[in-house]
Amino acid sequence: AAGVIQSPRHLIKEKRETATLKCYPIPRHDTVYWYQQGPGQDPQFLISFYEKMQSDKGSIPDRFSAQQFSDYHSELNMSSLELGDSALYFCASSAGGTSGINEQFFGPGTRLTVL
Amino acid sequence: AQKVTQAQTEISVVEKEDVTLDCVYETRDTTYYLFWYKQPPSGELVFLIRRNSFDEQNEISGRYSWNFQKSTSSFNFTITASQVVDSAVYFCALIETSGSRLTFGEGTQLTVNP
Repeated sequence: AAGVIQSPRHLIKEKRETATLKCYPIPRHDTVYWYQQGPGQDPQFLISFYEKMQSDKGSIPDRFSAQQFSDYHSELNMSSLELGDSALYFCASSAGGTSGINEQFFGPGTRLTVL
Repeated sequence: AQKVTQAQTEISVVEKEDVTLDCVYETRDTTYYLFWYKQPPSGELVFLIRRNSFDEQNEISGRYSWNFQKSTSSFNFTITASQVVDSAVYFCALIETSGSRLTFGEGTQLTVNP
C-alpha cells in the first residue's frame, strides 16, 4: 500500500539559510499534519491543513510557513535557520478532515541538520 | 488541555524478561484515542496500536499487550519475553476527537540486553 512520502530524507543547511521540506500524502488523503521532533524529545505538532486551508496551528515559529497545494501535497518552508531547528520533521496524512477520529499515517521523516 | 505522561525515561532489561511501559494521560474530552508508537534508532515512527476511549478491552498481539484503564487514566504496554530487536524509544500519544493534533508523551527508551 502507498505510504506518506517525504523528501528529502536528509538535509544539511547552514545557519541563516532556508529549507523546504515536501510531503506527499497517501492518495485520496485530504489532510496533512507536520510535527517536529528535536533530539531526545517527543514529536511536537506544528501545523495542519485540510483541503488546502490551514486547519490548526501549534508551536510553529514565525520563520516557518507551510501550505497545501491543489494535489494535496504540502511544503514546509523554513527561513533564517537556527541551530535549534535541527530536528526530525514528520509529515502525516489522514482522510476525511481533521477530526481526531481520522487516523494519521506518518511518513518516514526528514532529518534536518543546521550547521 | 491534553497531556500524556510517561514517567519511565529509560528501562533496561535482559532478553526474555517481561517489561511494562507506563502511560498516564489527561483530557477533558469524553471521546479520544490513545496510541503507542515505536521509534527504532533509524528514526521512523512505527504504529503499534490505536484505542478509542469507549473500548476498555485489553488487547494482545503476539508478545505485545495493552491494558487500558479509564478509572486511572492509564494505557500501559507490556512486552512479554523481550528481544533485543525491541530496543527502541516507545511513545504513548493521545488525540481528542474534537481536535486534530496528536499529543505525545516524553517517550521511554527501552534497552533489551542479550
